[in-house]
Amino acid sequence: NAGVTQTPKFQVLKTGQSMTLQCAQDMNHEYMSWYRQDPGMGLRLIHYSVGAGITDQGEVPNGYNVSRSTTEDFPLRLLSAAPSQTSVYFCASSSHGPLRQVPYEQYFGPGTRLTVT
Amino acid sequence: DAKTTQPTSMDCAEGRAANLPCNHSTISGNEYVYWYRQIHSQGPQYIIHGLKNNETNEMASLIITEDRKSSTLILPHATLRDTAVYYCIALIGNTPLVFGKGTRLSVIA
Repeated sequence: NAGVTQTPKFQVLKTGQSMTLQCAQDMNHEYMSWYRQDPGMGLRLIHYSVGAGITDQGEVPNGYNVSRSTTEDFPLRLLSAAPSQTSVYFCASSSHGPLRQVPYEQYFGPGTRLTVT
Repeated sequence: DAKTTQPTSMDCAEGRAANLPCNHSTISGNEYVYWYRQIHSQGPQYIIHGLKNNETNEMASLIITEDRKSSTLILPHATLRDTAVYYCIALIGNTPLVFGKGTRLSVIA
């Protein structure tokens, strides 16, 4: 198992550009989520998905779109990049727990470091 | 989800047990206590979780008080590689994981 993979590892964008951060998992996990972590700060939830075709907003969803067309993939789209979106982005996935609760044990990817100039 | 309170930072000597406290006095009966950690620049790592009973795995032990208002994560023999930010999260099923500020544990040689 590769676990949770994220591409690219690093990205520099100019203000106003758009891009998609890729996240994939090969563990057949139903639950996936995106977080951002600003320098020296904690993790904040952007969007999450409890299964293919279902997405929901987290704490800081503005400026980001997500879709979940397959179980494996959960891409995060930046519509018009702004310097305030300079951050490290982490994707995570989780199976259901024994009582069908989600998230259960979440596995995180290595992160994408994004700089917007 | 119940709010959790953790000390901002702690030190521990290498080889000694690290005991990280967490207060969750408003926890409800069906909320689990989860612990994650984040080693510098890496993605967070799941450590352990529990509901009522004490739990142990290869990484750590989780002690939950009988009234469930607080818990302690125990790393039995801390190493330098355990230096990280540790997050205690009270979580009901089917709600997303939201991280607080955590405890910065420094293991000192």
